[in-house]
Amino acid sequence: ETGVTQTPRHLVMGMTNKKSLKCEQHLGHNAMYWYKQSAKKPLELMFVYSLEERVENNSVPSRFSPECPNSSHLFLHLHTLQPEDSALYLCASSQYVTSTRGANVLTFGAGSRLTVL
Amino acid sequence: GESVGLHLPTLSVQEGDNSIINCAYSNSASDYFIWYKQESGKGPQFIIDIRSNMDKRQGQRVTVLLNKTVKHLSLQIAATQPGDSAVYFCAEKGDGNKLVFGAGTILRVKS
Repeated sequence: ETGVTQTPRHLVMGMTNKKSLKCEQHLGHNAMYWYKQSAKKPLELMFVYSLEERVENNSVPSRFSPECPNSSHLFLHLHTLQPEDSALYLCASSQYVTSTRGANVLTFGAGSRLTVL
Repeated sequence: GESVGLHLPTLSVQEGDNSIINCAYSNSASDYFIWYKQESGKGPQFIIDIRSNMDKRQGQRVTVLLNKTVKHLSLQIAATQPGDSAVYFCAEKGDGNKLVFGAGTILRVKS
């Protein structure tokens, strides 16, 4: 496989469930990201990892817990979510986080569509 | 703060015509801009980028124009095809190398 792969593609969960989203990149990139995409809103950056270290956490509620066991894999653990958390969650990777101009192109996965009942 | 906005939320064009998608940005310190295309059921896909030391950059059937005076960015698609139907996002990289995305413009191509 090439590129950025996200699983599952669709997830329906209740507010008391615990689930995880998985992302894997086969590009040899050093940085990985989680974005939230809600209808008619700009992409919201949630977390950034560089070489398995979290470098940014954009005031995301603690019910979202990221994990980056290595530079190729990224998880988003979900628990006690709210209906307003329903959205498309996009994973992305890039060569580096802090880069010179023009070198910060993100490659996105297809996303995990989450519905919280 | 930074913000990126789009003038038209939806653009409908006839197949074969040229499309122009516009984007306004607010951070004059932004030095790099990207256009992404997102088709239904897929993640955003890189189209073209431009650095702030350039006014124009061309790719295959696409051209990005940057007007730093008025902080405006546009994406031109030549001979628009049905496969071009998607949501188009502009993004700017400013302070802290963080990409800030706009809300998106829907492009609909009529056959």
